[in-house]
Amino acid sequence: GAVVSQHPSRVICKSGTSVKIECRSLDFQATTMFWYRQFPKQSLMLMATSNEGSKATYEQGVEKDKFLINHASLTLSTLTVTSAHPEDSSFYICSATELGYEQYFGPGTRLTVT
Amino acid sequence: DQQVKQNSPSLSVQEGRISILNCDYTNSMFDYFLWYKKYPAEGPTFLISISSIKDKNEDGRFTVFLNKSAKHLSLHIVPSQPGDSAVYFCAASGGSNYKLTFGKGTLLTVNP
Repeated sequence: GAVVSQHPSRVICKSGTSVKIECRSLDFQATTMFWYRQFPKQSLMLMATSNEGSKATYEQGVEKDKFLINHASLTLSTLTVTSAHPEDSSFYICSATELGYEQYFGPGTRLTVT
Repeated sequence: DQQVKQNSPSLSVQEGRISILNCDYTNSMFDYFLWYKKYPAEGPTFLISISSIKDKNEDGRFTVFLNKSAKHLSLHIVPSQPGDSAVYFCAASGGSNYKLTFGKGTLLTVNP
């Protein structure tokens, strides 16, 4: 149980384009989903918290107009990186929780902006 | 300011021996702690957790110890196996928003 999927696993896009990443909880309803970013050999940095049907809460320093988060249902959240630049290249990971502190993570998405 | 610290970036142990991974925290509001295991280019996998009302939690080969007065927790893996080789992240949470604060991770290598 507690499986979270992410799609795509890898994406390469040109600078200035937008990329959408999907996060799905496959066998449970996620009351809350989280989006993280990880740089090489660094910790996971929380970008935003999203609850189904409400606006995401962004961490300090994260541009909400650049990283659009939509949590349309209890099993799906999307992160759209708008007008991507090379510095947005990173490993993006989502997680989901049903009730409680245990977060279950997706496999991650490697974004490369050329 | 890092609220969750894993001061050892790496640890190497022999197969069959005990692995001890350490984590310190500074925020007194943290009341729930978790350990995750992560392979490169994959998402973290939940291992074990502990609430601040306990000082020990055990699950198979994994045991987590919490010392609240020292704001310190540790993960013991015994016996260690080569498949345990991965990066281990300590995470902490407090309050009702379920946000996790992660340490920087410790790379564990278990040598056959």
